[in-house]
Amino acid sequence: DAKTTQPTSMDCAEGRAANLPCNHSTISGNEYVYWYRQIHSQGPQYIIHGLKNNETNEMASLIITEDRKSSTLILPHATLRDTAVYYCIVRVAYRDDKIIFGKGTRLHILP
Amino acid sequence: NAGVTQTPKFRVLKTGQSMTLLCAQDMNHEYMYWYRQDPGMGLRLIHYSVGEGTTAKGEVPDGYNVSRLKKQNFLLGLESAAPSQTSVYFCASSYESGTPRYNEQFFGPGTRLTVL
Repeated sequence: DAKTTQPTSMDCAEGRAANLPCNHSTISGNEYVYWYRQIHSQGPQYIIHGLKNNETNEMASLIITEDRKSSTLILPHATLRDTAVYYCIVRVAYRDDKIIFGKGTRLHILP
Repeated sequence: NAGVTQTPKFRVLKTGQSMTLLCAQDMNHEYMYWYRQDPGMGLRLIHYSVGEGTTAKGEVPDGYNVSRLKKQNFLLGLESAAPSQTSVYFCASSYESGTPRYNEQFFGPGTRLTVL
């Protein structure tokens, strides 16, 4: 069973911030939150990860609640090219052989 | 670097035929994975390997076999293909160090398999 729960789909207007939520209420203390996205039928692509602090890189920001039971991926200025399925995954720091991809959130960027 | 490559990109099989999918990575990654993705579904792990000469079962291993004779290659075999194995197959690899940033999975472009 997936360790995370995400909405099936979301819409966001082009140029606006896209906020994608993820619930991971059973996350363990040594598990990180990773986000990937899959554009059309390509292989998934890594976006960002975090443990308990908020993280930002050139692609997105990751906000993790203080109790670590949920997180939000933020795409600050969504473009049409951000239309994709976004996967939220929890896994231990390394050598984790039980990585589970759920169904993810299908994000539609509207022109 | 080519990253993760998969061969072939497309294949059509008849029920009962066999085939091998090849995954190759040039990043010296320890871990390699085979996933399948059915329409509208997320990725499901078939088999994985934590190093050369090792393999292990994932979530949906039945009907598949794998081998990791060389660190850079991970082969997925279908001995007797069935229509239920029609899917897109993705290979991935990861470094797996003590630094979480280097544990992201790198995915190949996928192999689209149809079993008639």
